[in-house]
Amino acid sequence: GENVEQHPSTLSVQEGDSAVIKCTYSDSASNYFPWYKQELGKRPQLIIDIRSNVGEKKDQRIAVTLNKTAKHFSLHITETQPEDSAVYFCAASHQAGDYKLSFGAGTTVTVRA
Amino acid sequence: DTAVSQTPKYLVTQMGNDKSIKCEQNLGHDTMYWYKQDSKKFLKIMFSYNNKELIINETVPNRFSPKSPDKAHLNLHINSLELGDSAVYFCASSRQRNQPQHFGDGTRLSIL
Repeated sequence: GENVEQHPSTLSVQEGDSAVIKCTYSDSASNYFPWYKQELGKRPQLIIDIRSNVGEKKDQRIAVTLNKTAKHFSLHITETQPEDSAVYFCAASHQAGDYKLSFGAGTTVTVRA
Repeated sequence: DTAVSQTPKYLVTQMGNDKSIKCEQNLGHDTMYWYKQDSKKFLKIMFSYNNKELIINETVPNRFSPKSPDKAHLNLHINSLELGDSAVYFCASSRQRNQPQHFGDGTRLSIL
């Protein structure tokens, strides 16, 4: 089955700086890669996703890049703000796996004011 | 107006009891899911239904039994609860498979 590894497990950044989270996946057939943000005690919320026919996608301060050859994808948050503090999860899925989402272990991001 | 709603929000019960968690979505989605999030925050799929048909059944103890009476509902029944079942259980739905998933607020299950 699909194995998704996520790094780093914790990330502390100064407000205004950028944050980068990296994920690798094992199954080259994976073709859908969402990112979720989970604030303390809340539900995971989709913040951005990318499909394998696209190399990069941006939404305001958030961007995701995908390298299919290397089987890795990254989340970039620019101009971080205190409200960006949360746990971020990457995930991957593909048709042969019944589109099952396999999640990374999560990255706890803390933005220091 | 909650898109994916779960009840109850908290569930505290004794070991050995049987309990159910209910989930309803008003998004008109075809696919629904149950996830377990453990104390280390790891999210793992348990089950998925598409149009009331079971399509994903991970290696979950058979004490866990999902039921989907219709496309908008997916319930989870757990028999003979064990200490290791303590976790947050999230329901989610998507328009179709491989589409963005929307999560409910979760049910925090605590086994005494």
